Amino acid sequence: AQTVTQSQPEMSVQEAETVTLSCTYDTSESDYYLFWYKQPPSRQMILVIRQEAYKQQNATENRFSVNFQKAAKSFSLKISDSQLGDAAMYFCAYRSATSGTYKYIFGTGTRLKVLA
Amino acid sequence: GAVVSQHPSRVICKSGTSVKIECRSLDFQATTMFWYRQFPKKSLMLMATSNEGSKATYEQGVEKDKFLINHASLTLSTLTVTSAHPEDSSFYICSASTSGLYEQYFGPGTRLTVT
Repeated sequence: AQTVTQSQPEMSVQEAETVTLSCTYDTSESDYYLFWYKQPPSRQMILVIRQEAYKQQNATENRFSVNFQKAAKSFSLKISDSQLGDAAMYFCAYRSATSGTYKYIFGTGTRLKVLA
Repeated sequence: GAVVSQHPSRVICKSGTSVKIECRSLDFQATTMFWYRQFPKKSLMLMATSNEGSKATYEQGVEKDKFLINHASLTLSTLTVTSAHPEDSSFYICSASTSGLYEQYFGPGTRLTVT
């Protein structure tokens, strides 16, 4: 069975600085998708970025980028020029591309605090 | 992006009564919907997966007779908590996806309080 691990329960970053949130996963599959979701205090889950495992190029979305290391099964999220609005819980998620279900496996989350 | 709504956003009910939560995909047809439960400061726990027109698939440990899920159309799924008890108090979140989309889109959640 697949597992997703987020080893940092909480992280802090100074406004305008850069922070990296870590995520590792375990799977025997070769084709899958990885996601980072943000959950602010409103508790609305917001998709931040996604990565297809077959793509070697790291995904980027404005200030958000990932470092996808398939062999190491690592999928970290880098937030550049951190803003107060980035403060939230961040969840890493895995989805098989071949199992026939769209079910996610979530990590336990990292709470990001942004300091003014 | 795809929009998913949930109703109600908050509900308080008495112990022993049933409560229904609706999840709607507003601008796409959701072939698959998911129901999660989230405890404070915890991750999302998948309760069940529902495909339009077929019975839901429940995760291990989730009582299917207590948490009734119906996915009667491509835009609507409902979760009914039957004979609710205080321990059912939680934050319930639905999400939706469809073929061709890799990701799930989430509703804003429903806070259920059972008194």
